[in-house]
Amino acid sequence: AQTVTQSQPEMSVQEAETVTLSCTYDTSESDYYLFWYKQPPSRQMILVIRQEAYKQQNATENRFSVNFQKAAKSFSLKISDSQLGDAAMYFCAYRSPNYGQNFVFGPGTRLSVLP
Amino acid sequence: GAGVSQTPSNKVTEKGKYVELRCDPISGHTALYWYRQSLGQGPEFLIYFQGTGAADDSGLPNDRFFAVRPEGSVSTLKIQRTERGDSAVYLCASSLSASASSGANVLTFGAGSRLTVL
Repeated sequence: AQTVTQSQPEMSVQEAETVTLSCTYDTSESDYYLFWYKQPPSRQMILVIRQEAYKQQNATENRFSVNFQKAAKSFSLKISDSQLGDAAMYFCAYRSPNYGQNFVFGPGTRLSVLP
Repeated sequence: GAGVSQTPSNKVTEKGKYVELRCDPISGHTALYWYRQSLGQGPEFLIYFQGTGAADDSGLPNDRFFAVRPEGSVSTLKIQRTERGDSAVYLCASSLSASASSGANVLTFGAGSRLTVL
């Protein structure tokens, strides 16, 4: 079974600066999908960014980008120009390419943004 | 609907009682997932539906938990004889399909139902 690890329970960043959240996973599959979800205090999980494992190019969405290292099974999230609204729990998630496979989530990293 | 709707937002019950949690997915989404999130942890898979059928219920912790989706849209998670350890946020998510193809496999979550068992 796949597992997802986030080794940083809490992180903080100064407003306007850059922060990187770590994620590693364990799988024997060669093709899969990786996600970062954000969960603010409102509880609603929001998709931040998505990466297909067969794509070598790192995904980017505005201030959010990933560093996908397939051989190392690492999928870190970089947040540039951090804003107060970025404060939330961030979850890394893995999904198998097989039909119907559920998403496996990591334990999360709580990000604080300091003004 | 425009988003995934979950009711109730908060539910407080007594140990031993029966509870139903409802999820109304995005219109047209055929795949529906239930997750449980305990305090300070990531979501833990419970069950997922493709259409009306439970395609994978391997995450249900025991036979006190049951979920239905009779018409392939709204789903209800049912918990019998609730225990204090059932206290958690129950998250529902839907996706266009259960296919792993790139455009269809993004989960859209509801705001969750917080269950507190006293």
